[in-house]
Amino acid sequence: DAMVIQNPRYQVTQFGKPVTLSCSQTLNHNVMYWYQQKSSQAPKLLFHYYDKDFNNEADTPDNFQSRRPNTSFCFLDIRSPGLGDAAMYLCATSASGGSGETQYFGPGTRLLVL
Amino acid sequence: KQEVTQIPAALSVPEGENLVLNCSFTDSAIYNLQWFRQDPGKGLTSLLLIQSSQREQTSGRLNASLDKSSGRSTLYIAASQPGDSATYLCAVRRMNTGFQKLVFGTGTRLLVSP
Repeated sequence: DAMVIQNPRYQVTQFGKPVTLSCSQTLNHNVMYWYQQKSSQAPKLLFHYYDKDFNNEADTPDNFQSRRPNTSFCFLDIRSPGLGDAAMYLCATSASGGSGETQYFGPGTRLLVL
Repeated sequence: KQEVTQIPAALSVPEGENLVLNCSFTDSAIYNLQWFRQDPGKGLTSLLLIQSSQREQTSGRLNASLDKSSGRSTLYIAASQPGDSATYLCAVRRMNTGFQKLVFGTGTRLLVSP
């Protein structure tokens, strides 16, 4: 089945130790998004790619970076995780970003920072 | 700045009841509004998408309405079932932004008891 896959589902890291979260999709969608969702809060968009074009949200900390080596994969790199970065990280895709489109979400990666 | 509010934050009902979840947004300049479902520790599943020119959308026991001028949407769930227990989030797509940037509410956590 076509879908959005995130690995790992749970990630434990130490304070300040770089961590990479992975997202892949079989939908062949042009747009990929990364959201951060803290407990009982709304998902917050960090950045998105339209094809290879990277679009950062103005309030996304520099500590967060992303790579999209090809259409199928997108990575979220947290260079020096702090305790406040513990959250669920959601990856999503959409076909071309058009107004009538649905975003398809992966199951998320829950990050714990010790 | 677009803000999305969902009331109530939590709702508990017995099985079989009809219920209404509320969503309000501060800026009526939107492309569309979506309702998502999120099960504990999981990603988001799109339930209904209403374009700004539409008043309502229906899918099975779900009916979503949109009153753009007043900045409100409701999600009506008929004959609720324990399997409907989840968090329901609404999100609006802002106009004059690229690539379907969604602004989410914090959700309503629904518990349907047998």
